[in-house]
Amino acid sequence: DGGITQSPKYLFRKEGQNVTLSCEQNLNHDAMYWYRQDPGQGLRLIYYSQIVNDFQKGDIAEGYSVSREKKESFPLTVTSAQKNPTAFYLCASSVRHGGFYEQYFGPGTRLTVT
Amino acid sequence: AQKVTQAQTEISVVEKEDVTLDCVYETRDTTYYLFWYKQPPSGELVFLIRRNSFDEQNEISGRYSWNFQKSTSSFNFTITASQVVDSAVYFCALTLTPGANSKLTFGKGITLSVRP
Repeated sequence: DGGITQSPKYLFRKEGQNVTLSCEQNLNHDAMYWYRQDPGQGLRLIYYSQIVNDFQKGDIAEGYSVSREKKESFPLTVTSAQKNPTAFYLCASSVRHGGFYEQYFGPGTRLTVT
Repeated sequence: AQKVTQAQTEISVVEKEDVTLDCVYETRDTTYYLFWYKQPPSGELVFLIRRNSFDEQNEISGRYSWNFQKSTSSFNFTITASQVVDSAVYFCALTLTPGANSKLTFGKGITLSVRP
């Protein structure tokens, strides 16, 4: 089955600790994205990567870091510098369909930092 | 900068009722792309539709229909004969670019509850 996997579904951390969220896709998509969702809010873009070994900041990159060493994987690290890390994190990947890159989303990881 | 406004935050209907979810967008660009996504309780976003700014034709897909009106900068979504399985959060979104660097601007979402 092709798709995007994010693990774990729920993640708990103590304040001051870095935590890495996993995102893997076996769809052979070139581009991958990380979004953050807060209650009652829309999704906001954290980072995106168009190809391996390249990534760009989104609208709210402060306190986050990413890597893209493999096409299939785009892990997100939430650092201790992120002031409000508790949120729902969604990963997406995209492929070109008739001139347009459609984004497909994973199931998300709910991070709680106390 | 782009903006998407979903003024309705929560809507509750009884099964079989029709319901319309409103979306108003702002952009100075003449080329843009609008989307609707569904987020069920499981959390994953499900793509429903994409509409280009140069195509104002309304679309119907089963019980779903979309009304795109550039004159009022609106892209409204109607569910006919709603069902309990339609209960979810619905997001409207906009992007200016079709490429891999596409940045989606989302509205805050509308929580739809369909009661049996």
